[in-house]
Amino acid sequence: AQSVSQHNHHVILSEAASLELGCNYSYGGTVNLFWYVQYPGQHLQLLLKYFSGDPLVKGIKGFEAEFIKSKFSFNLRKPSVQWSDTAEYFCAVNIGWDVNTGKLIFGQGTTLQVKP
Amino acid sequence: EAGVAQSPRYKIIEKRQSVAFWCNPISGHATLYWYQQILGQGPKLLIQFQNNGVVDDSQLPKDRFSAERLKGVDSTLKIQPAKLEDSAVYLCASSPRKLAGRNEQFFGPGTRLTVL
Repeated sequence: AQSVSQHNHHVILSEAASLELGCNYSYGGTVNLFWYVQYPGQHLQLLLKYFSGDPLVKGIKGFEAEFIKSKFSFNLRKPSVQWSDTAEYFCAVNIGWDVNTGKLIFGQGTTLQVKP
Repeated sequence: EAGVAQSPRYKIIEKRQSVAFWCNPISGHATLYWYQQILGQGPKLLIQFQNNGVVDDSQLPKDRFSAERLKGVDSTLKIQPAKLEDSAVYLCASSPRKLAGRNEQFFGPGTRLTVL
């Protein structure tokens, strides 16, 4: 069965440190890729997405992600984190024949804690 | 623009009781999703509606869960009877375009269900 794996369950960083959260999926066909974020007390919201074209995509609040097809990966990065980036981050993949139905498979999430 | 509304926000019931959750999607959104998010896991799709028709309910435990979308707008998700393992946050999401896997999904605040 298709799955999405996020390698880090809990990450603790100091402000200004660089961030990279890993995401891998298990499917060899066409994918649409998303990162969602949930700030404390708020709803899940879209951070960025990739469908095609330039594999380096930029999202809100200085986040970016790189799609590496050969590695089945879509890692999230930010050069310098802020305390306000403290949140839970979810990688989600829309896979193959589901590209027209919007069915997302989510990873288990990574909790990021940024120390001021 | 008003977001996705859900009620109640919290619910505590005993096992074998029944419970219902309500969702009002963003106005004009054709697609509505119900997700189950167990603590420490990512959201898992239970059912997807396109207007008032079911697109995908492959992961809905149909012996105890049911859902409907009245007139293609509001939706209710019911559990009867509840089991301990149903304790989770139930998320509703909607998206503006029909059958498009590239959609951003807009999430509600969720209903936290505790089954004792």
